[in-house]
Amino acid sequence: DAKTTQPNSMESNEEEPVHLPCNHSTISGTDYIHWYRQLPSQGPEYVIHGLTSNVNNRMASLAIAEDRKSSTLILHRATLRDAAVYYCILRPFDFGNEKLTFGTGTRLTIIP
Amino acid sequence: NAGVTQTPKFQVLKTGQSMTLQCAQDMNHNSMYWYRQDPGMGLRLIYYSASEGTTDKGEVPNGYNVSRLNKREFSLRLESAAPSQTSVYFCASREDRRANNEQFFGPGTRLTVL
Repeated sequence: DAKTTQPNSMESNEEEPVHLPCNHSTISGTDYIHWYRQLPSQGPEYVIHGLTSNVNNRMASLAIAEDRKSSTLILHRATLRDAAVYYCILRPFDFGNEKLTFGTGTRLTIIP
Repeated sequence: NAGVTQTPKFQVLKTGQSMTLQCAQDMNHNSMYWYRQDPGMGLRLIYYSASEGTTDKGEVPNGYNVSRLNKREFSLRLESAAPSQTSVYFCASREDRRANNEQFFGPGTRLTVL
């Protein structure tokens, strides 16, 4: 299974953009890139996903490298409520593969 | 919509006791999942159910059983709890198994086994 690598932690100032990187050098051509975040004492929540093209939604943007071996989650204007652990995961297109695991993610701290 | 609900929120067991964690979703989703999260760790898949009437093992199934009671409900049973099963348990669902579908998670059950 393709793996992802993320920094353990990052800090950012409030109201500034945040770029959270993820490396997935063994990604296959049909793997979707998903991002989830987990706020303290809560279950994970979906943030965004993409396949090849950059994606935007109300929460964030996802920038995918041309070779798809890395991606970056962009929070355009961080708030204190964005402090969470962010997980980058690859979801295979193969219907038979559900053994998806969340790594340890990146713990994002927002500095007021 | 309540989304994914889990009961109980907290539970303390003694070694060897049994219990069932309940999960329900009101989104008419086909696929449901059980994960565990140990302190400082990511989530690991215990069991999943791709559709009503089917269940399959995930990464860490030992010591657990599951039942997909109907399309809405997916329960996780610990027959003989062990301290190693102390963890936070999350239930999740998604519409189906297509790769571009998001998962919706419940609030979690915090289990302590003494």
